Amino acid sequence: KNEVEQSPQNLTAQEGEFITINCSYSVGISALHWLQQHPGGGIVSLFMLSSGKKKHGRLIATINIQEKHSSLHITASHPRDSAVYICAVLRPYSGGGADGLTFGKGTHLIIQP
Amino acid sequence: AAGVIQSPRHLIKEKRETATLKCYPIPRHDTVYWYQQGPGQDPQFLISFYEKMQSDKGSIPDRFSAQQFSDYHSELNMSSLELGDSALYFCASSLDYEQYFGPGTRLTVT
Repeated sequence: KNEVEQSPQNLTAQEGEFITINCSYSVGISALHWLQQHPGGGIVSLFMLSSGKKKHGRLIATINIQEKHSSLHITASHPRDSAVYICAVLRPYSGGGADGLTFGKGTHLIIQP
Repeated sequence: AAGVIQSPRHLIKEKRETATLKCYPIPRHDTVYWYQQGPGQDPQFLISFYEKMQSDKGSIPDRFSAQQFSDYHSELNMSSLELGDSALYFCASSLDYEQYFGPGTRLTVT
């Protein structure tokens, strides 16, 4: 079982719909990233969360540390939101100073006009 | 705002050749991470550096080595390239926990 599980794997929705992508993890973490990757493109960090909720424009991210679960919401979705959304977790500080992220498999989102 | 810079953006090499990828972190960021993303795969952590010292090691093959220099830029050296090394290589930098990703270097091994 992967340490970071995302659902759904694929999501197709109509423009304007409210989108929710879920991420569950099985390890202790110090922070969780939501990342966006366009086809053939680079990775953009959308949010880093260690507790609660963050909002940026039409994007909202929440995390429940006790339940080991995070969600990414997109309100008023638009075709330009079509991308792969990746949940990645940072393990608690191990003393090494810079720990790599552990990634989920990503959610492929397509927003149709 | 300045972002993470990676060079080259695209690289084509033949099997058994060597390749060097470069990463220039955001100014004042002291930590660099390297990730490998194979075709259709999720990124895998390779190695990281903090204050010019190797910090954490992931699934980096022995054929690969990396270092961080005094100006905090980092280089990933890859030798005896194999077809399976074809991937997108991302570098990220951070000052605290939040990692900022570069655009990636697409390496194709033929």
